Order: sequence, then structure tokens, then C-alpha cells
Amino acid sequence: EAQVTQNPRYLITVTGKKLTVTCSQNMNHEYMSWYRQDPGLGLRQIYYSMNVEVTDKGDVPEGYKVSRKEKRNFPLILESPSPNQTSLYFCASTPERGGGYTFGSGTRLTVV
Amino acid sequence: GESVGLHLPTLSVQEGDNSIINCAYSNSASDYFIWYKQESGKGPQFIIDIRSNMDKRQGQRVTVLLNKTVKHLSLQIAATQPGDSAVYFCAENVSGGGADGLTFGKGTHLIIQP
Repeated sequence: EAQVTQNPRYLITVTGKKLTVTCSQNMNHEYMSWYRQDPGLGLRQIYYSMNVEVTDKGDVPEGYKVSRKEKRNFPLILESPSPNQTSLYFCASTPERGGGYTFGSGTRLTVV
Repeated sequence: GESVGLHLPTLSVQEGDNSIINCAYSNSASDYFIWYKQESGKGPQFIIDIRSNMDKRQGQRVTVLLNKTVKHLSLQIAATQPGDSAVYFCAENVSGGGADGLTFGKGTHLIIQP
């Protein structure tokens, strides 16, 4: 089944403790993105990647890092999480620039 | 501010009726539009898309209309069913834009009344 898989689905962590949210897609898509979803603010892009080793900032990149060492994987890294990063995170991929994204099921992160 | 928005945060319709969800966008350079459906606890799911060289596109029970003159997009769902209850987002993109990624509206919550 073609899909984007995120892990974990739920995560509660403490301020300052580094964490990584993994994302993997099995569709051989070149483009991948991370979004966060917050009430009243909708979905906002954090980072995106156009191919292996090619990444760039989205609208809200502060406090996040990403890497794209393999085409299928696009992990999101929070080096020092803070409470304002409590949110619902989605990874997504698309085969073409400007195309429609396929989204993962989401990771609900709580930073206390 | 948001370049894509929705007129109503909540829309309630009777089961079996048709529903229309509206979206306004402000970036006249946008040339690709998508409607997503998001059910509780799930990620956004692609419903239908349309490019700016089209005015209308139909899928199974869904139709998207694009009016470039007034920068308006709508999603029509025919004969709504309980499974249509969800939040619907419109999103836009600009081909060849400097940054890749969709700009989303804030969403309309569609409630299907029995």
C-alpha cells in the first residue's frame, strides 16, 4: 500500500530533551515536507526537501532541523524542544513540485 | 496573512443534501488548487485538484469549481453521507514558485445531520 509512515503517533517529552520524529514513504517521491497543525492557524510548512541532500526552510522552521540522506526518509529533529512546539505534525510527500501531497497520519507532540 | 481562506468555519447539512464549501484566495499567481478532507485523528486526504487552465473538474460525488476572475474556489459534495463529516481544507500552490509547498486555508468543518 502506498503510504507515508510517521513514528511515533504520540509523544510527550520534557523541555530541552532532543527528539526525532521519523517519516518514511514508499512511493519513490522526490518531494517531502513537514507541516505542523495548530488550532486557528491551520497547516504551516516547517521544512521541505526536493531530493536527497536538498532541503529548505518553509514558513516556520525555527527550532527544527531535517535531513534527507535517503529518498524515502525525511526525519524531523527537535534539538531542544520547547512548549510552543506542542502541536500536531504531519509528514507529506509528492512526486512533483507543486503537486498534491500524500500525508502521513500525524504525530501529536506535547512538550512539558 | 493567509493567502488562502475559507468563508465559513462550520457548515451543517442534512444527510442526502448537497453541500458547497467555499474558498477565497488572494495570490493571482496561484495555478494549482487542491481540496483535502481531514477526519478526526487522521492526516489530510486528497480529494480533488484543479489547475488554473480549467474552470471545473468532477470526481466521484465531488466537483471543484474555479473562478479565477474573483479568485474563488468551491467544493461541491453531492448527496452527502455521514462519512463526509470532516474538516475540509483548500490549498494552493504556485508552479515554479521560490518555495515548494502548499498554502492551506484554515478549514471548514462539515457536519452531516441525520
